[in-house]
Formats: sequence, structure tokens, C-alpha cells
Amino acid sequence: GEDVEQSLFLSVREGDSSVINCTYTDSSSTYLYWYKQEPGAGLQLLTYIFSNMDMKQDQRLTVLLNKKDKHLSLRIADTQTGDSAIYFCAENPSGAGSYQLTFGKGTKLSVIP
Amino acid sequence: EPEVTQTPSHQVTQMGQEVILRCVPISNHLYFYWYRQILGQKVEFLVSFYNNEISEKSEIFDDQFSVERPDGSNFTLKIRSTKLEDSAMYFCASMGTGASPLHFGNGTRLTVT
Repeated sequence: GEDVEQSLFLSVREGDSSVINCTYTDSSSTYLYWYKQEPGAGLQLLTYIFSNMDMKQDQRLTVLLNKKDKHLSLRIADTQTGDSAIYFCAENPSGAGSYQLTFGKGTKLSVIP
Repeated sequence: EPEVTQTPSHQVTQMGQEVILRCVPISNHLYFYWYRQILGQKVEFLVSFYNNEISEKSEIFDDQFSVERPDGSNFTLKIRSTKLEDSAMYFCASMGTGASPLHFGNGTRLTVT
């Protein structure tokens, strides 16, 4: 079955790095995503990584993928108050021949000024 | 940057009424989706649509739900007879090809009273 697990809360001080972790179960997933949701808003695609990559960096964001352990992390460097939001990890188990995403419950990141 | 747009942003309806949620996907995209997020819960897949037909649907997407792409630009979700438990944020998403990420709209918050 498909399931994506994330811790529910993370609190960091402004300027520190944030690391949000995610585990998934479907080893056939070829894409893994991070979406950001600010209060009352939609799902903003932050970044995604192909399963044949170990790392992807995009400005302040670094995604690490450990395919053996089915572990995905999102690191936000120099966290700002504007980064406060819920971050969703999602997998795309396209090995099942589908393009529907399975989302985690989301990690609420609170940035303390 | 092109984006998925959804209207209305908030809809209030009475139980038993029909509602139509509207979406304009990104113009050259081929795959279309509806997801929903009940307050405080996971984002859940409802249905995917490709080549003018439903390609997949979840258990949530029962006979009360239908989708349509009436004119080549709009993509609609109809709920025939709303129930209280249909209250949620409904997200439309589109994707260009199977090798690209899903782009979500800002959502329509449906409140059934």
C-alpha cells in the first residue's frame, strides 16, 4: 500500500536551518514532491526530485533522497518568517500506472523571530 | 508563470443542493485532477481526467460527483446533492506530461450548511 508519513510540527528560530523529514512506502515512486501551503491558500509546488537522484538544490532549498530507506528530507537554509507554512511531502507511484499523488499529513513549520 | 485558476474561492451551499466548481488548467496541459482537503486532514485524490475521459477515481468519487471539460479550457467538478461531509477545500491540478509535476490551483473552499 501507499503511505507517506511526516512529523506534524517543527519550530525553528529565524536564520536557522529547518529540516523536514518524510518517509514513504512505495518503492516504485519515480517522483517525490514538496508542496507548501500557507494559511487559507493553495498548494504551491516548491520542488521535486526524481528517484534516480540523491540530492537536488534550489537556492535555499535542498532535497535529499535516500531511496534505500525511502526517506526524503527538505532543508530550508536561513529560515525566514515567510517560510512559516505547512509543508507536504507527496509521492507519485507511477509504477502503478497512475499519476495521482499520495500526500503526507503535512508538517507545520513555525518560525520564531 | 502560467497557473491553474479556480473559481469561486469560497462557496457556501445548503445540503442537498448541486454545486459546480470551476477550474481553468494551464493551457497546454493534458492531464487534469481534482483533490480535496477536509479541514485539518490530508489532501486526498478524487479523480484524474485525460483525453476527455476519467482515467482514475478514488472511493470518495461516488455517483454524486462528476467531472467535465465542456469547452477545451474549463474543467469542472459537479457535486449533485451536497452533504455536510462534502465541506472541504477542493483543489484542481493539471499536468503537462507524465514526466512533469502537478500544478495546483488555490482551491475552492466549499461549505455545506
